[in-house]
Amino acid sequence: DGGITQSPKYLFRKEGQNVTLSCEQNLNHDAMYWYRQDPGQGLRLIYYSQIVNDFQKGDIAEGYSVSREKKESFPLTVTSAQKNPTAFYLCASSMGYNEQFFGPGTRLTVL
Amino acid sequence: DQQVKQNSPSLSVQEGRISILNCDYTNSMFDYFLWYKKYPAEGPTFLISISSIKDKNEDGRFTVFLNKSAKHLSLHIVPSQPGDSAVYFCAASVASGTYKYIFGTGTRLKVLA
Repeated sequence: DGGITQSPKYLFRKEGQNVTLSCEQNLNHDAMYWYRQDPGQGLRLIYYSQIVNDFQKGDIAEGYSVSREKKESFPLTVTSAQKNPTAFYLCASSMGYNEQFFGPGTRLTVL
Repeated sequence: DQQVKQNSPSLSVQEGRISILNCDYTNSMFDYFLWYKKYPAEGPTFLISISSIKDKNEDGRFTVFLNKSAKHLSLHIVPSQPGDSAVYFCAASVASGTYKYIFGTGTRLKVLA
């Protein structure tokens, strides 16, 4: 049963803490992506990776970091430098520029 | 600079009628377009795509039209069903470039029973 999993579904963080969101795919896709969605807004690209051990900044990378050590995994760390981290985070994967498949999302709330 | 725009934040349609969702883009290099449907607190689901070599693509109740000269695409849903009520996003990419897509801000469709 192929797909993308994100964990946890809900995450609470205290101000000043780093937190890591997990994203795993078993679709054998080369590319993976992280997006952020805020209420009433579209999807904004944080980081993307087209191959293992390589990734590029998206439109809103400040305060975030990623790694791509394995093809299946693309974790996102929200650092304390991110000023407004409360949002819905979506991970996606694709084979090349074909359609992206999305995970169920993680809702991060800063307390 | 918003390269992909969905100028209607919301749309209401009667069940059984046609829903038309619009999307405009500014970058003439875009040559591959996607439409997604999204329910609250879930990830978007891919609906349909179109390449710039075509001006129309159909999949069941969903049809996407592309007007390259106007830099405009539209998604038609016929007939509309209450289960179609969701937020719809268009996305655009340069197929020969990176795998990066630019998403619009979405249109919330409400199908009234």
